[in-house]
Amino acid sequence: NAGVTQTPKFQVLKTGQSMTLQCAQDMNHEYMSWYRQDPGMGLRLIHYSVGAGITDQGEVPNGYNVSRSTTEDFPLRLLSAAPSQTSVYFCASSYSSANEQFFGPGTRLTVL
Amino acid sequence: GENVEQHPSTLSVQEGDSAVIKCTYSDSASNYFPWYKQELGKRPQLIIDIRSNVGEKKDQRIAVTLNKTAKHFSLHITETQPEDSAVYFCAASMSTGANNLFFGTGTRLTVIP
Repeated sequence: NAGVTQTPKFQVLKTGQSMTLQCAQDMNHEYMSWYRQDPGMGLRLIHYSVGAGITDQGEVPNGYNVSRSTTEDFPLRLLSAAPSQTSVYFCASSYSSANEQFFGPGTRLTVL
Repeated sequence: GENVEQHPSTLSVQEGDSAVIKCTYSDSASNYFPWYKQELGKRPQLIIDIRSNVGEKKDQRIAVTLNKTAKHFSLHITETQPEDSAVYFCAASMSTGANNLFFGTGTRLTVIP
């Protein structure tokens, strides 16, 4: 059981570039989510999904897109990177949102 | 949406002493309150959680209390050890919609040997 995996671990982008952060889980969890973590601000929800084919916005969705074509995968797309998107990104999954969320190892993104 | 406030932002204790971290939430419909521990450079991991039908829950040196009337909950760590040093996050989940978690801003706990 690999749990929740994320790639890449580190990424540096230039302003305006696009990229996709990958997230996968092998626990057959229906609920998956993306958070960003900034100093002093805790974890803020970007987008979430309650099952394949279903996604919705969280607290800070602007500048990000998601899709959920399978139960296992939940990629996060940055459309046009901005310095304000410099952050650590965590993907998480759980049986349902009101249960223990298992976090991936995180992706540290720097936008220059 | 839900608003979770967490205090203090930093906390230093001597090894063996107790540590208490407090959180308040705004939505009275919230009914699930987990606590996560995050060591430096690592992912957050659940250490204990409580649901609204329970006032207190213990797991060895860790306990969580919940006061639904006052809308606050607390984490208590007794007999602290250096390995307890980490950032701790509280969270609250609303009982409607997708039950998303809303996190507090974290408490950096340092246990001094």
